[in-house]
Amino acid sequence: ETGVTQSPTHLIKTRGQQVTLRCSSQSGHNTVSWYQQALGQGPQFIFQYYREEENGRGNFPPRFSGLQFPNYSSELNVNALELDDSALYLCASSTHPQGSYEQYFGPGTRLTVT
Amino acid sequence: KQEVTQIPAALSVPEGENLVLNCSFTDSAIYNLQWFRQDPGKGLTSLLLIQSSQREQTSGRLNASLDKSSGRSTLYIAASQPGDSATYLCAVRPLGGGADGLTFGKGTHLIIQP
Repeated sequence: ETGVTQSPTHLIKTRGQQVTLRCSSQSGHNTVSWYQQALGQGPQFIFQYYREEENGRGNFPPRFSGLQFPNYSSELNVNALELDDSALYLCASSTHPQGSYEQYFGPGTRLTVT
Repeated sequence: KQEVTQIPAALSVPEGENLVLNCSFTDSAIYNLQWFRQDPGKGLTSLLLIQSSQREQTSGRLNASLDKSSGRSTLYIAASQPGDSATYLCAVRPLGGGADGLTFGKGTHLIIQP
């Protein structure tokens, strides 16, 4: 069984640029969620994708957007990067709507905005 | 709005001690509660998941309890080892289930001294 993978591991961008982060869900999982974790904080929910559509969103502006592909992999896109976007971005997969909704997380992408 | 608080924020104890980490949440309308471990700069590892209808779950030296009516969960670690050093995060999923994401606490940073 393959776990959740994310790429790249680290990324440095300049304020105002755009970035795309990628996630492959665990085998058999059809739902992907994205979280932002600032230093010293707990992760915050950005959004969730199921059947290639966003079906839940946290308190993040529209410049945070995503995609889910037929193989259940996903992308997180952030436009007009701000310094406060510097964080660890975590992807999690689960099964929906059946099951326990237990979330399995990837290793994360560390984004630094300068 | 759901809020999750973890106490203590940090804990340092000698090897071999039994530990209790606390998690409280403000809205008892939860679907489940999940405990995670996070090593520095890494992703989250799921430790235990407790459904709202359950009172506790056990895995090896770990035992998690849930008192939904009082909005509390505890993670008990028996016979602590240096390898248990990490940040432990508690997260709740709202009763709606899938689309609302997890709400996390800020975590307890645990150091086990050899």
